[in-house]
Amino acid sequence: DGGITQSPKYLFRKEGQNVTLSCEQNLNHDAMYWYRQDPGQGLRLIYYSQIVNDFQKGDIAEGYSVSREKKESFPLTVTSAQKNPTAFYLCASSIQGAEAFFGQGTRLTVV
Amino acid sequence: QKEVEQNSGPLSVPEGAIASLNCTYSDRGSQSFFWYRQYSGKSPELIMSIYSNGDKEDGRFTAQLNKASQYVSLLIRDSQPSDSATYLCAVNPWAGNNRKLIWGLGTSLAVNP
Repeated sequence: DGGITQSPKYLFRKEGQNVTLSCEQNLNHDAMYWYRQDPGQGLRLIYYSQIVNDFQKGDIAEGYSVSREKKESFPLTVTSAQKNPTAFYLCASSIQGAEAFFGQGTRLTVV
Repeated sequence: QKEVEQNSGPLSVPEGAIASLNCTYSDRGSQSFFWYRQYSGKSPELIMSIYSNGDKEDGRFTAQLNKASQYVSLLIRDSQPSDSATYLCAVNPWAGNNRKLIWGLGTSLAVNP
């Protein structure tokens, strides 16, 4: 089945710790995106990538990092510099000019 | 700054009624328009795409696009309690190499039995 897989579904981070969220797609999409969603809020773009080995900052990139070494994979690292990381993280992919498809999301909580 | 605006709601309709959701956008050159449904705690799922002026129907859903007035709407006929969710409007501001969708904040819909 084609789709986007995010893992883990739930993640707990200690203060000062870096954590990495996984996103894999087998839809052969060029573009991939990371969004953050806080309770009752809209989607805010963290990073996006239109092609392998290239990515651009979104609206709230501070405290996050990404890589795009393979077309299928776009992992997101939440660094210790991100002071308020508790949120719902969504990965999406799309082809040019078309609709985006989402993974199931990762809910990150700071403990 | 390209923008997409939606009424946050909540929009409350009785079961069986028509729910009408609206979205306006600022970039006149926008080419692609999408409606997503998001249940609480879940990821958004695509329900309609529309690319040209006029109406597009899919089951109980109808998307309407008016590029001259820069708005896109979603009608849900025979609304069901299972339609209660947040509806997100997304716009692709250009049909070229820009693949970054611009999102509205969503409209919360409650369908009352």
